[in-house]
Amino acid sequence: EAGVAQSPRYKIIEKRQSVAFWCNPISGHATLYWYQQILGQGPKLLIQFQNNGVVDDSQLPKDRFSAERLKGVDSTLKIQPAKLEDSAVYLCASSRMDRARYNEQFFGPGTRLTVL
Amino acid sequence: AQSVTQLDSHVSVSEGTPVLLRCNYSSSYSPSLFWYVQHPNKGLQLLLKYTSAATLVKGINGFEAEFKKSETSFHLTKPSAHMSDAAEYFCVVSDAGGKLIFGQGTELSVKP
Repeated sequence: EAGVAQSPRYKIIEKRQSVAFWCNPISGHATLYWYQQILGQGPKLLIQFQNNGVVDDSQLPKDRFSAERLKGVDSTLKIQPAKLEDSAVYLCASSRMDRARYNEQFFGPGTRLTVL
Repeated sequence: AQSVTQLDSHVSVSEGTPVLLRCNYSSSYSPSLFWYVQHPNKGLQLLLKYTSAATLVKGINGFEAEFKKSETSFHLTKPSAHMSDAAEYFCVVSDAGGKLIFGQGTELSVKP
């Protein structure tokens, strides 16, 4: 089966500009996640969707970050305006939603954002 | 709150020698623990998971990890390193809601 798709793979912008990332999860996966991975650190969850509803956005800087998952499939993550500290790799992951204790998350290749 | 600490930021081994990547966890209940690998310019891949079944967990590519509750550890091992094992490895704990909490990562280098 096809994996999680993300685009673009790389993006360079200047501070105060806006940027958007796109994610297409694995077909049939109800849960979608966006992570931020700063260089030298592990990924940190920004937001989790279940179908098109938000489950957890406690770590999302809502003054500048927004995300949506219309129709419960694709998702976009937007930063407006960007700051230097937003330079990171943005990872999208998806998983099934069933009664198992743990549903494996499958990760996309990520989008590397550089803010100058 | 759940957390993981990876005790080494970088580990270097020679090809054919054993690999040991160390991880300690903190959890207020019986945790689910994982190891993920990240190769350059590739997505994170699940190596293995512990979800309260057998304490010795076998994963892909010859890796295994042992859950030791008394030591709050979940170290990753492999008997013989290959050049293709060079990558970043993350120890991960899941909270009650399924949220993954990643460690800082250990970079594994394999020398010929």
